[in-house]
Amino acid sequence: GAVVSQHPSWVICKSGTSVKIECRSLDFQATTMFWYRQFPKQSLMLMATSNEGSKATYEQGVEKDKFLINHASLTLSTLTVTSAHPEDSSFYICSARRDRAYNEQFFGPGTRLTVL
Amino acid sequence: AQTVTQSQPEMSVQEAETVTLSCTYDTSESDYYLFWYKQPPSRQMILVIRQEAYKQQNATENRFSVNFQKAAKSFSLKISDSQLGDAAMYFCAYSGNNDMRFGAGTRLTVKP
Repeated sequence: GAVVSQHPSWVICKSGTSVKIECRSLDFQATTMFWYRQFPKQSLMLMATSNEGSKATYEQGVEKDKFLINHASLTLSTLTVTSAHPEDSSFYICSARRDRAYNEQFFGPGTRLTVL
Repeated sequence: AQTVTQSQPEMSVQEAETVTLSCTYDTSESDYYLFWYKQPPSRQMILVIRQEAYKQQNATENRFSVNFQKAAKSFSLKISDSQLGDAAMYFCAYSGNNDMRFGAGTRLTVKP
């Protein structure tokens, strides 16, 4: 149990276009989902926390108008990178928390975004 | 703000030997959780072990164990009988009220 999927796993887009990444909890309901960004050979940096039915909370320095997060249901959160530029190229990872017990997060396999 | 520090960017161990990865953290919270995650080349984050701060007993999962020193805010990971499949990036993580913060990571190489 506690499986999180992401789609797509890899996306290439042209500069100026928008890209949507989906994060799904397959076998549990996730009241809270998290979005991370990971540059090569670096750690995971939290971008935002999203709670079902409410607006996402963004970390300092993350542009909320550029990285749109929607958590419309207890099993789905989406991250849309708007007007993507080459510097947005990165590895994006989502995670979901099943409940408050242990504060454990279950991670998706990640999405590699390349902006040309 | 909570910070997590991993001072060893790279570590190497001989197969079947034991290695210890270091982690320290800074927090003013009294109730929190600590984790070690493994990230292989596939980049899928895999939970290795978890420690509740209110528990004095160190967590153990098969070949993996931790040395949790709450007063010193230290949380090291010991891998016994290292295997080739243990080679990966290892991240120490702290979780308090809501979110999770990660250390910079330690790349572990296992030599046959």
